[in-house]
Amino acid sequence: QQQVKQSPQSLIVQKGGISIINCAYENTAFDYFPWYQQFPGKGPALLIAIRPDVSEKKEGRFTISFNKSAKQFSLHIMDSQPGDSATYFCAASRPNKLVFGAGTILRVKS
Amino acid sequence: GAVVSQHPSWVICKSGTSVKIECRSLDFQATTMFWYRQFPKQSLMLMATSNEGSKATYEQGVEKDKFLINHASLTLSTLTVTSAHPEDSSFYICSARVRSGRSYNEQFFGPGTRLTVL
Repeated sequence: QQQVKQSPQSLIVQKGGISIINCAYENTAFDYFPWYQQFPGKGPALLIAIRPDVSEKKEGRFTISFNKSAKQFSLHIMDSQPGDSATYFCAASRPNKLVFGAGTILRVKS
Repeated sequence: GAVVSQHPSWVICKSGTSVKIECRSLDFQATTMFWYRQFPKQSLMLMATSNEGSKATYEQGVEKDKFLINHASLTLSTLTVTSAHPEDSSFYICSARVRSGRSYNEQFFGPGTRLTVL
């Protein structure tokens, strides 16, 4: 019930391509779904987030798609760049607790 | 805005000693601060949640006597690893929740502290 399942574990994308990372959850009490980007040796940085009353949110090259009925949400990175190479974590939140996915290591090849 | 700092960024200590890690919210007041632990190539695991002026709430399996948390103000929380052992070596990350009217759990993370126990 508390898990967030994230896939794929790793992803290699060509520069300019689209990176897609998927997450699924079970607990319908989750009310906030953020994505974090983490570079080696650094803390996670909030990238983009969505509430369950919205099906899509776009900020620059980053888009979250949210399917409430399927309990799934995904991150799309358009025009992927080598600087996007990092580990991405999805998360789901209920008041005062973030549950993280296992993470996806993204490598963008130039 | 929403900057969280941690000090130190890395620390090496001998087995049996205690280490204190500070977490500060620099430009906002934090209702709640959180402490996470991350092993190499793994996800973040919540250790404890602390609210200013009250006792921390620890996750199952986290020893409260070993990982002492003090949340002295709305901008400062400290984690003390007592009698550290090599298995405590890890990346410790704090986060802070903005003290505002938001109902959702928006957290901002610090840069992390790498602890190595020899």
